[in-house]
Amino acid sequence: EVVLTQSPATLSLSPGERATLSCRASQSVRSYLVWYQQKPGQPPRLLISDASKRATGIPARFSATGSGTDFTLTISSLEPEDFAVYYCHQRSNWPLTFGGGTKLGVK
Amino acid sequence: QVQLVQSGAELKKPGTSVTVSCKASGDILTTDSFTWVRQAPGQGLEWMGWISLHNGQTEYSQQLQGRVTLTTDTSTTTGYMELRSLRSDDTAVYYCASFDYGDYWGQGTLVTVSS
Repeated sequence: EVVLTQSPATLSLSPGERATLSCRASQSVRSYLVWYQQKPGQPPRLLISDASKRATGIPARFSATGSGTDFTLTISSLEPEDFAVYYCHQRSNWPLTFGGGTKLGVK
Repeated sequence: QVQLVQSGAELKKPGTSVTVSCKASGDILTTDSFTWVRQAPGQGLEWMGWISLHNGQTEYSQQLQGRVTLTTDTSTTTGYMELRSLRSDDTAVYYCASFDYGDYWGQGTLVTVSS
């Protein structure tokens, strides 16, 4: 199965700073990579589909790049509501898999 | 828009089974499949499996294969997830989701496995 490794596991930043989150796949997932944001007690919220397409209603400060095995989610200027856990998720190969998550906390 | 409504919380003993349901409403014509994901307390998301509403095709997590069965009732656009031989580490929130024409999630169902 495809293993998704997210780094860093935790990231401590201040509002206004730039966040860069990484997701690496153990084999190519082409562009079938999704990014989610999750806050406590809530289901995941779709941020990015197809590796780089912002979902409806997602602010422009969220952007993502990558294909194949290396993917990056960037939040250009952190807002207070952005502090949460972020997951990557591949929909290329069965079984589908999630990364272990990056917890973005306030510094 | 699709709404996914899941059944309520469950408390189960080790070794028993649990079935969680997920009923789709709204624009159900855009619901072709159900995906199931779970999340243990304080842990990450774990993909469990997928089932097609059209032909019943299933795909399962390697870790859960043999203990989990996904089924559907197409007449009510409801999906079911059965997990057998429950262990304490199966304690988690179980989500159903639909990714066919958007990204929709149920509210989650807490399953607690405890003697």
